[in-house]
Amino acid sequence: NAGVMQNPRHLVRRRGQEARLRCSPMKGHSHVYWYRQLPEEGLKFMVYLQKENIIDESGMPKERFSAEFPKEGPSILRIQQVVRGDSAAYFCASSPPGPEKLFFGSGTQLSVL
Amino acid sequence: SQQGEEDPQALSIQEGENATMNCSYKTSINNLQWYRQNSGRGLVHLILIRSNEREKHSGRLRVTLDTSKKSSSLLITASRAADTASYFCATGGSNFGNEKLTFGTGTRLTIIP
Repeated sequence: NAGVMQNPRHLVRRRGQEARLRCSPMKGHSHVYWYRQLPEEGLKFMVYLQKENIIDESGMPKERFSAEFPKEGPSILRIQQVVRGDSAAYFCASSPPGPEKLFFGSGTQLSVL
Repeated sequence: SQQGEEDPQALSIQEGENATMNCSYKTSINNLQWYRQNSGRGLVHLILIRSNEREKHSGRLRVTLDTSKKSSSLLITASRAADTASYFCATGGSNFGNEKLTFGTGTRLTIIP
């Protein structure tokens, strides 16, 4: 049973470009979470999604950031017009319904030049 | 916010010694979880303790929970070099609700061989 798969592992973008981060949850998991981590810091919650629904996006910046979890395919975290402050590790986690324990992917390290 | 705060921020001990980390939180919880993060990797779930439990064991891990003080501790006995990692407590989540997990700032543990 494959774990949570995130790609790409590393992503380099220039300021103003778009970044698309993908997350495939574990088989049977219908809940996906995105977190951001800056160096030497904890994880900051961004968004919580179920299939085709955003449950909680209280941690998402109002502008430039969006997330989706379509009926088919991976969850996508999209950052438009990236700035240097967006450089961070972005982690995806999934869980079955009722969320308790989360299963994390290995993260995408976004570097904005 | 139910964010946990870990204490200490960093801890270095000799291999074989016991390591104790603490977590404080602010509001009522259904459960509290501990996760480990190796450098550059995603988080791995270690143990979950429910609000009606006071102590729980898993291998060399022992977790206590004091809901009256809104605090938890993680004890790792007979530490090994492989235990070097950052440890995070997390609160939130529930058996039935759609509640996100909120992570603390972490304790960076270094085991000296």
